[in-house]
Amino acid sequence: EAQVTQNPRYLITVTGKKLTVTCSQNMNHEYMSWYRQDPGLGLRQIYYSMNVEVTDKGDVPEGYKVSRKEKRNFPLILESPSPNQTSLYFCASRTDRASNQPQHFGDGTRLSIL
Amino acid sequence: DAKTTQPNSMESNEEEPVHLPCNHSTISGTDYIHWYRQLPSQGPEYVIHGLTSNVNNRMASLAIAEDRKSSTLILHRATLRDAAVYYCILRKRGGSNYKLTFGKGTLLTVNP
Repeated sequence: EAQVTQNPRYLITVTGKKLTVTCSQNMNHEYMSWYRQDPGLGLRQIYYSMNVEVTDKGDVPEGYKVSRKEKRNFPLILESPSPNQTSLYFCASRTDRASNQPQHFGDGTRLSIL
Repeated sequence: DAKTTQPNSMESNEEEPVHLPCNHSTISGTDYIHWYRQLPSQGPEYVIHGLTSNVNNRMASLAIAEDRKSSTLILHRATLRDAAVYYCILRKRGGSNYKLTFGKGTLLTVNP
């Protein structure tokens, strides 16, 4: 089954403790992206990657890092999490091989930073 | 990206058709109209997209006004599983970032 898998689904942690949210897709997609969703603000893009070793900032990249060492994986790293990064996070992917293809989203990771 | 306007909420009865409107008066000639939905506790899910002509797929139909300043997502027979927030999104063809700009969407409630 084609899917985007995020782990963990839920995490409660404390300020300053480094954490990584993993994202993996099994569709051989070139493009991957991270969004955060906050009440009243909708989904906002954090980072995106057009292919392996190619990443770029989205609209709200501060406090986040990403890497794309393999095509299927696109982890989101919070080196020193702060309470304002408490949010619902979504990873998405799509193929780059044809125009206007749909994006596939994971089921989300709910992070609480205390 | 051009702005879209959708009603905050709509209500429907199960097995009845639902017409979800979207206004996009500043749409440009290269903007595609995409619809995604987000079910409770899930990530957004692609529904349908189009440019100028009406489109049908297994999930829904998309009716696009002749001047392209508005569109309507049609669910032919609503089920309880269709209760979700529906987002109308404009995206320019091409580009190096396939970012989707989500607005507030329309919360669809389906009554049994």
